[in-house]
Amino acid sequence: DADVTQTPRNRITKTGKRIMLECSQTKGHDRMYWYRQDPGLGLRLIYYSFDVKDINKGEISDGYSVSRQAQAKFSLSLESAIPNQTALYFCATSAGAPTITDTQYFGPGTRLTVL
Amino acid sequence: QKEVEQDPGPLSVPEGAIVSLNCTYSNSAFQYFMWYRQYSRKGPELLMYTYSSGNKEDGRFTAQVDKSSKYISLFIRDSQPSDSATYLCAMSLSNAGGTSYGKLTFGQGTILTVHP
Repeated sequence: DADVTQTPRNRITKTGKRIMLECSQTKGHDRMYWYRQDPGLGLRLIYYSFDVKDINKGEISDGYSVSRQAQAKFSLSLESAIPNQTALYFCATSAGAPTITDTQYFGPGTRLTVL
Repeated sequence: QKEVEQDPGPLSVPEGAIVSLNCTYSNSAFQYFMWYRQYSRKGPELLMYTYSSGNKEDGRFTAQVDKSSKYISLFIRDSQPSDSATYLCAMSLSNAGGTSYGKLTFGQGTILTVHP
């Protein structure tokens, strides 16, 4: 079984709808991240959480919110989806200290289309 | 201007070629430099990392960091069709303990195709 899972894998929705993307991990990591990937723009950080009670905005948090329900679960919500939120969304986890590089492990991604 | 700049390519090379992938950055505080590889329809996975300046070699892959020029490179020797993927550079700050802060800043990614 995959260590980092994302649901759904694909989603098509309409402008104005509320959408939740879910991420679960079995790696036992404290840190979790949400990114979006757009052609030509690479990966951009939306939100990150270094533990259950720690939530931080990333580079592009406007229009998004998150919930860290447990160490293993981190959800991303789009309260009112708009077409320019069409993208590939990735969840990632990392162990944090005392690892030196804090390697991030990515899920398989969710392809979201907002019509 | 983005903190990390990477030529998106695409880059197409014949099998066996030496590939050079590059990124420049503007934040001199970055201490950890990574290369992630992303196959089509997959999430990125860490390929190599380097701390501060210098070279690091792993099989056919060599990562170089030149902090004075704010420039990093990934070289792939004897490239194979299985190397066809998007390569993303990423960087992070160092926390007070000297380990990676964890929050990564990525380049745009370079699409590489190695044809037989």
